Amino acid sequence: KNEVEQSPQNLTAQEGEFITINCSYSVGISALHWLQQHPGGGIVSLFMLSSGKKKHGRLIATINIQEKHSSLHITASHPRDSAVYICAVPSYINTDKLIFGTGTRLQVFP
Amino acid sequence: ETGVTQTPRHLVMGMTNKKSLKCEQHLGHNAMYWYKQSAKKPLELMFVYNFKEQTENNSVPSRFSPECPNSSHLFLHLHTLQPEDSALYLCASSQDTQGEDTQYFGPGTRLTVL
Repeated sequence: KNEVEQSPQNLTAQEGEFITINCSYSVGISALHWLQQHPGGGIVSLFMLSSGKKKHGRLIATINIQEKHSSLHITASHPRDSAVYICAVPSYINTDKLIFGTGTRLQVFP
Repeated sequence: ETGVTQTPRHLVMGMTNKKSLKCEQHLGHNAMYWYKQSAKKPLELMFVYNFKEQTENNSVPSRFSPECPNSSHLFLHLHTLQPEDSALYLCASSQDTQGEDTQYFGPGTRLTVL
């Protein structure tokens, strides 16, 4: 069974700060997903990565396969970045199934 | 527009009611999913359909009954639910069911069972 842990659970920041959210998993994987969930429930897929680093605007995701760890960074954070950030990995037993972390709730204040 | 729509967005029902949730995807995907999100808990996969065939039933009680008439539509039929079934129900779709496939989520149906 693949366990997914995220830290921190809650994060507050001032506008402009650099944000880091961490995700650790217990079993080798083929890919890791980062998702964003806004108040109201809608979920948007941010990244899928299997190695190295990906960048989209102010968001950067990195993954270290050997250490079974991924980070999501937000540069120059803005109040509209306030959301829950969730990482997910395929189940070790059934790769059709994603296992989700509990999420990191981010609030960015002006 | 995410390409995945869900109706209704909010639903309040009694324990003896029968209702259905609907999901439609306009992305030409082959796989569709139902997830449950309860307060303070991670997303839980309920069902997976690939090419209209159910490929995963994650030990979901029989009071939840999925239906996938075609690759674009997915229903979740609800009957004799319990208050603990109150949650956000999310539909998603992806090209296929590989772990590397990006899943596109609908806005969810917030269900309250009285």
